[in-house]
Amino acid sequence: NAGVMQNPRHLVRRRGQEARLRCSPMKGHSHVYWYRQLPEEGLKFMVYLQKENIIDESGMPKERFSAEFPKEGPSILRIQQVVRGDSAAYFCASSQTSAGGGETQYFGPGTRLLVL
Amino acid sequence: AQSVTQLDSQVPVFEEAPVELRCNYSSSVSVYLFWYVQYPNQGLQLLLKYLSGSTLVKSINGFEAEFNKSQTSFHLRKPSVHISDTAEYFCAVSERSGGSNYKLTFGKGTLLTVNP
Repeated sequence: NAGVMQNPRHLVRRRGQEARLRCSPMKGHSHVYWYRQLPEEGLKFMVYLQKENIIDESGMPKERFSAEFPKEGPSILRIQQVVRGDSAAYFCASSQTSAGGGETQYFGPGTRLLVL
Repeated sequence: AQSVTQLDSQVPVFEEAPVELRCNYSSSVSVYLFWYVQYPNQGLQLLLKYLSGSTLVKSINGFEAEFNKSQTSFHLRKPSVHISDTAEYFCAVSERSGGSNYKLTFGKGTLLTVNP
């Protein structure tokens, strides 16, 4: 059973460009979470999605950031008009359920975004 | 809201020595507790978690952690480390109840370096 897949693993963008980060959850998992790790910081929750639904986007910056998890295909985290402060590692996680709390989230290897 | 403090950003030890990685948390509600490990260029992997029951939890590779409610701590220990334990270790919490119990709050991580 393949783990959580993320691509690309490394992404370089110039200021003002768009970044698209992809995440394929583990087989059988319908819950996807995105976290961001800024330099010298711990991972911070950004958004929680189920198929075709955004459940909680309370950790997403209000502008330029969006996420989706379509019925078919991977989850996408999209950053428009990137700025240097967006440089970070972006991790995707998936779980089989979220009911009851304590559910193990399985993490992908991350996408390291560098904005020049 | 919760917060997690990992008191040591780096812990260097010699092979076969014991190690303790410290984690304290702050929360206004009851929490679940997790330790994740990140090997170089890989995603986070769950090492162990405390949900309920015995306050001492163990992983398959010799790590253990003890939940101490009065001290709000969840320190990670191993009696004898190997070179292969070199990695970054993250402590995390999530709420036990409420609408956001899927949301993990992470510490900044502790880099464990095991030297020969």
